[in-house]
Amino acid sequence: EDKVVQSPLSLVVHEGDTVTLNCSYEVTNFRSLLWYKQEKKAPTFLFMLTSSGIEKKSGRLSSILDKKELSSILNITATQTGDSAIYLCAVEGGYNAGGTSYGKLTFGQGTILTVHP
Amino acid sequence: DTEVTQTPKHLVMGMTNKKSLKCEQHMGHRAMYWYKQKAKKPPELMFVYSYEKLSINESVPSRFSPECPNSSLLNLHLHALQPEDSALYLCASSRGGVVFSGNTIYFGEGSWLTVV
Repeated sequence: EDKVVQSPLSLVVHEGDTVTLNCSYEVTNFRSLLWYKQEKKAPTFLFMLTSSGIEKKSGRLSSILDKKELSSILNITATQTGDSAIYLCAVEGGYNAGGTSYGKLTFGQGTILTVHP
Repeated sequence: DTEVTQTPKHLVMGMTNKKSLKCEQHMGHRAMYWYKQKAKKPPELMFVYSYEKLSINESVPSRFSPECPNSSLLNLHLHALQPEDSALYLCASSRGGVVFSGNTIYFGEGSWLTVV
Protein backbone atom coordinates (compact mmCIF):
# COMPACT_ATOMS: atom_id res chain seq x y z
CA GLU A 1 0.00 0.00 0.00
CA ASP A 2 1.29 3.44 -0.94
CA LYS A 3 2.29 5.60 2.01
CA VAL A 4 3.21 9.28 2.42
CA VAL A 5 4.41 10.79 5.70
CA GLN A 6 4.86 14.49 6.33
CA SER A 7 6.66 16.27 9.13
CA PRO A 8 6.24 18.29 11.16
CA LEU A 9 2.46 18.03 11.51
CA SER A 10 2.29 21.65 12.61
CA LEU A 11 4.63 24.59 12.66
CA VAL A 12 4.30 28.08 14.11
CA VAL A 13 6.71 30.79 12.98
CA HIS A 14 6.95 34.56 12.68
CA GLU A 15 6.98 36.59 9.53
CA GLY A 16 10.37 36.58 7.88
CA ASP A 17 11.34 33.14 9.12
CA THR A 18 12.38 30.35 6.76
CA VAL A 19 10.62 27.00 7.05
CA THR A 20 11.35 23.53 5.71
CA LEU A 21 8.58 20.98 5.34
CA ASN A 22 9.38 17.31 4.88
CA CYS A 23 7.72 14.51 2.96
CA SER A 24 8.78 10.87 2.70
CA TYR A 25 7.06 8.20 0.68
CA GLU A 26 6.77 4.56 -0.24
CA VAL A 27 4.89 4.03 -3.46
CA THR A 28 4.68 1.48 -6.22
CA ASN A 29 5.37 2.74 -9.74
CA PHE A 30 6.39 6.23 -8.66
CA ARG A 31 5.47 8.84 -11.23
CA SER A 32 5.59 12.16 -9.47
CA LEU A 33 5.49 14.00 -6.17
CA LEU A 34 3.23 17.00 -5.85
CA TRP A 35 2.97 19.77 -3.32
CA TYR A 36 -0.33 21.52 -2.69
CA LYS A 37 -1.35 24.45 -0.51
CA GLN A 38 -4.77 24.26 1.07
CA GLU A 39 -6.54 27.09 2.82
CA LYS A 40 -10.27 26.92 3.46
CA LYS A 41 -11.07 25.35 0.14
CA ALA A 42 -9.64 22.94 -2.41
CA PRO A 43 -5.90 22.24 -2.65
CA THR A 44 -3.99 24.61 -4.90
CA PHE A 45 -1.19 23.10 -6.96
CA LEU A 46 2.33 24.34 -6.14
CA PHE A 47 4.92 22.01 -7.66
CA MET A 48 5.31 18.70 -9.39
CA LEU A 49 8.61 16.86 -9.13
CA THR A 50 9.49 13.85 -11.23
CA SER A 51 12.51 11.73 -11.92
CA SER A 52 13.45 14.15 -14.69
CA GLY A 53 12.78 17.33 -12.74
CA ILE A 54 13.92 17.10 -9.16
CA GLU A 55 14.12 20.77 -8.23
CA LYS A 56 11.56 23.50 -8.66
CA LYS A 57 11.44 27.13 -7.56
CA SER A 58 8.78 29.78 -7.65
CA GLY A 59 9.36 33.02 -5.84
CA ARG A 60 9.92 32.32 -2.17
CA LEU A 61 8.99 28.66 -2.51
CA SER A 62 11.27 25.89 -3.64
CA SER A 63 11.19 22.14 -3.54
CA ILE A 64 13.66 19.32 -4.03
CA LEU A 65 13.09 15.63 -4.66
CA ASP A 66 15.62 13.15 -3.28
CA LYS A 67 15.04 10.00 -5.32
CA LYS A 68 17.55 8.01 -3.33
CA GLU A 69 16.03 8.84 0.04
CA LEU A 70 12.45 8.76 -1.31
CA SER A 71 11.73 12.14 0.14
CA SER A 72 11.12 15.75 -0.68
CA ILE A 73 11.37 19.08 1.07
CA LEU A 74 9.42 22.28 0.55
CA ASN A 75 11.21 25.46 1.56
CA ILE A 76 9.52 28.78 2.15
CA THR A 77 11.78 31.77 2.74
CA ALA A 78 10.79 35.13 4.22
CA THR A 79 7.42 33.76 5.31
CA GLN A 80 4.34 35.97 5.28
CA THR A 81 1.02 35.66 7.09
CA GLY A 82 -0.53 34.73 3.75
CA ASP A 83 1.57 31.57 3.76
CA SER A 84 -0.50 30.24 6.65
CA ALA A 85 -2.18 27.12 5.32
CA ILE A 86 -2.03 23.36 5.26
CA TYR A 87 0.70 22.10 2.96
CA LEU A 88 -0.05 18.73 1.45
CA CYS A 89 2.44 16.38 -0.13
CA ALA A 90 1.02 13.80 -2.50
CA VAL A 91 2.69 11.07 -4.46
CA GLU A 92 1.32 9.77 -7.70
CA GLY A 93 1.54 6.08 -8.41
CA GLY A 94 0.94 4.89 -11.93
CA TYR A 95 -1.71 2.39 -12.88
CA ASN A 96 -2.34 0.84 -16.24
CA ALA A 97 -5.56 -0.61 -17.54
CA GLY A 98 -6.47 -1.50 -21.07
CA GLY A 99 -3.53 0.37 -22.55
CA THR A 100 -4.29 3.61 -20.79
CA SER A 101 -2.81 4.98 -17.64
CA TYR A 102 -3.96 7.16 -14.83
CA GLY A 103 -2.51 8.49 -11.65
CA LYS A 104 -3.55 7.71 -8.13
CA LEU A 105 -2.58 10.31 -5.59
CA THR A 106 -1.79 9.31 -2.04
CA PHE A 107 -1.69 12.26 0.32
CA GLY A 108 0.34 12.79 3.45
CA GLN A 109 -1.34 14.08 6.60
CA GLY A 110 -0.35 17.62 5.80
CA THR A 111 1.68 20.23 7.69
CA ILE A 112 -0.29 23.05 9.28
CA LEU A 113 1.80 26.18 8.94
CA THR A 114 0.89 29.25 10.99
CA VAL A 115 2.79 32.48 10.36
CA HIS A 116 2.34 35.18 12.98
CA PRO A 117 2.91 38.88 12.21
CA ASP B 1 -7.04 27.44 -18.30
CA THR B 2 -6.70 24.92 -15.51
CA GLU B 3 -10.22 24.89 -14.20
CA VAL B 4 -12.33 22.18 -12.69
CA THR B 5 -15.83 23.39 -11.83
CA GLN B 6 -17.96 21.77 -9.17
CA THR B 7 -21.60 22.36 -8.28
CA PRO B 8 -23.17 22.90 -5.89
CA LYS B 9 -20.65 24.52 -3.58
CA HIS B 10 -22.78 23.69 -0.55
CA LEU B 11 -25.40 20.98 -0.11
CA VAL B 12 -27.50 20.03 2.90
CA MET B 13 -29.48 16.83 2.56
CA GLY B 14 -31.51 14.50 4.70
CA MET B 15 -30.67 10.86 5.12
CA THR B 16 -33.55 9.81 2.84
CA ASN B 17 -32.80 12.30 0.07
CA LYS B 18 -31.29 11.65 -3.34
CA LYS B 19 -28.95 14.32 -4.63
CA SER B 20 -26.04 14.65 -7.04
CA LEU B 21 -22.72 16.46 -7.13
CA LYS B 22 -21.49 17.61 -10.51
CA CYS B 23 -18.03 18.24 -11.91
CA GLU B 24 -16.94 19.63 -15.24
CA GLN B 25 -13.62 20.27 -16.94
CA HIS B 26 -12.77 21.49 -20.43
CA MET B 27 -9.03 20.86 -20.42
CA GLY B 28 -9.31 17.71 -22.50
CA HIS B 29 -8.31 15.62 -19.50
CA ARG B 30 -9.15 11.95 -19.77
CA ALA B 31 -8.79 10.99 -16.11
CA MET B 32 -11.22 12.29 -13.48
CA TYR B 33 -11.38 11.64 -9.78
CA TRP B 34 -13.58 11.97 -6.72
CA TYR B 35 -11.92 12.58 -3.38
CA LYS B 36 -13.49 12.94 0.06
CA GLN B 37 -11.93 15.18 2.69
CA LYS B 38 -12.94 15.32 6.33
CA ALA B 39 -11.97 18.22 8.55
CA LYS B 40 -8.25 18.38 9.33
CA LYS B 41 -7.58 15.26 7.25
CA PRO B 42 -5.98 14.89 3.82
CA PRO B 43 -8.13 14.04 0.80
CA GLU B 44 -8.95 10.37 0.36
CA LEU B 45 -9.47 8.86 -3.06
CA MET B 46 -12.92 7.46 -3.77
CA PHE B 47 -13.12 6.83 -7.52
CA VAL B 48 -11.00 7.18 -10.65
CA TYR B 49 -12.40 7.32 -14.16
CA SER B 50 -10.08 6.85 -17.10
CA TYR B 51 -11.47 7.41 -20.58
CA GLU B 52 -14.99 7.48 -19.11
CA LYS B 53 -14.57 4.04 -17.56
CA LEU B 54 -14.45 3.38 -13.85
CA SER B 55 -10.88 2.28 -13.11
CA ILE B 56 -10.64 2.50 -9.34
CA ASN B 57 -13.28 2.16 -6.65
CA GLU B 58 -11.64 2.46 -3.25
CA SER B 59 -14.21 0.24 -1.54
CA VAL B 60 -16.68 3.09 -1.39
CA PRO B 61 -20.17 2.25 -0.01
CA SER B 62 -22.85 1.82 -2.65
CA ARG B 63 -24.75 4.84 -1.35
CA PHE B 64 -22.20 6.78 -3.42
CA SER B 65 -22.65 6.13 -7.12
CA PRO B 66 -20.32 7.77 -9.66
CA GLU B 67 -21.19 8.42 -13.26
CA CYS B 68 -19.13 9.74 -16.15
CA PRO B 69 -21.54 10.72 -18.97
CA ASN B 70 -18.74 12.01 -21.21
CA SER B 71 -15.10 13.02 -21.10
CA SER B 72 -15.87 16.44 -19.59
CA LEU B 73 -18.41 15.54 -16.93
CA LEU B 74 -18.31 13.55 -13.73
CA ASN B 75 -21.23 13.10 -11.35
CA LEU B 76 -21.52 11.63 -7.89
CA HIS B 77 -25.02 10.43 -7.03
CA LEU B 78 -25.87 10.37 -3.36
CA HIS B 79 -28.60 8.29 -1.75
CA ALA B 80 -29.39 7.32 1.84
CA LEU B 81 -26.29 8.98 3.22
CA GLN B 82 -25.31 9.02 6.86
CA PRO B 83 -24.29 12.04 8.95
CA GLU B 84 -20.70 10.73 8.98
CA ASP B 85 -20.64 11.22 5.21
CA SER B 86 -20.60 14.97 5.78
CA ALA B 87 -17.37 16.22 4.25
CA LEU B 88 -15.81 18.22 1.46
CA TYR B 89 -16.08 16.32 -1.82
CA LEU B 90 -13.36 17.19 -4.29
CA CYS B 91 -13.36 16.51 -7.98
CA ALA B 92 -10.06 16.45 -9.84
CA SER B 93 -8.78 15.78 -13.33
CA SER B 94 -5.53 15.03 -15.10
CA ARG B 95 -4.34 14.35 -18.62
CA GLY B 96 -4.26 10.59 -18.26
CA GLY B 97 -3.68 8.80 -21.51
CA VAL B 98 -0.56 6.81 -22.40
CA VAL B 99 2.08 6.28 -19.80
CA PHE B 100 4.39 9.19 -19.22
CA SER B 101 6.22 10.61 -16.28
CA GLY B 102 4.29 13.08 -14.21
CA ASN B 103 0.67 14.00 -14.45
CA THR B 104 -0.47 17.15 -12.66
CA ILE B 105 -3.81 16.62 -11.00
CA TYR B 106 -6.00 19.70 -10.69
CA PHE B 107 -8.72 20.05 -8.11
CA GLY B 108 -12.04 21.81 -8.22
CA GLU B 109 -13.20 24.09 -5.39
CA GLY B 110 -15.12 21.26 -3.79
CA SER B 111 -18.68 20.68 -2.65
CA TRP B 112 -19.35 20.98 1.07
CA LEU B 113 -21.87 18.29 1.96
CA THR B 114 -23.81 18.19 5.20
CA VAL B 115 -26.05 15.23 5.93
CA VAL B 116 -28.70 15.86 8.58
